[in-house]
Amino acid sequence: AQTVTQSQPEMSVQEAETVTLSCTYDTSESDYYLFWYKQPPSGQMILVIRQEAYKQQNATENRFSVNFQKAAKSFSLKISDSQLGDAAMYFCAYRSAPGGTSYGKLTFGQGTILTVHP
Amino acid sequence: GAGVSQSPRYKVAKRGQDVALRCDPISGHVSLFWYQQALGQGPEFLTYFQNEAQLDKSGLPSDRFFAERPEGSVSTLKIQRTQQEDSAVYLCASSLPQGWEYQETQYFGPGTRLLVL
Repeated sequence: AQTVTQSQPEMSVQEAETVTLSCTYDTSESDYYLFWYKQPPSGQMILVIRQEAYKQQNATENRFSVNFQKAAKSFSLKISDSQLGDAAMYFCAYRSAPGGTSYGKLTFGQGTILTVHP
Repeated sequence: GAGVSQSPRYKVAKRGQDVALRCDPISGHVSLFWYQQALGQGPEFLTYFQNEAQLDKSGLPSDRFFAERPEGSVSTLKIQRTQQEDSAVYLCASSLPQGWEYQETQYFGPGTRLLVL
């Protein structure tokens, strides 16, 4: 079974600064997908960024980028020019590719609470 | 609407009551997922449908939990004889069919917050 670990329960950043959230995972599969989701206090789970494991190029979405290290099974999220609206719980998640042992479900980490200070 | 919708948003139940939680997926999304999220934790997978077929129910914690999607669109998660440990947010997500671009991405609803007293 796959596991996802987020070792930082809480992180804080000053507005306009850069912060990196860590995520590691364990799998024996070679093809899979990784995601970062954001969950503000409203509870809505919002997709931030996704990465296909077969792509070596790191995904980017505006101020959000990832550092995907497949051999190290590491998938960190970098938020540049942090904004007050970035404050939320961030979850790292894993999904097997079609044909994988647990295709379908997402396996989530424990989450990291991000606080943004003005 | 454009997104996944869930109802009710909040539900208070007395221990022992049965509850039914509804999920309306995004139109055209054939895959539907249910997750349970305890306070301060990451969501935990409960079950997964493709159209009306329940392909994986390995995450259902007990036989008190039952999910259905009879016509391949709306889904209902039913919890019988609720217990205090069932208190959580229940999240529904949907995704495009396999073979479509971004089919692996799940889009979530706002959740139903269940409190069992």
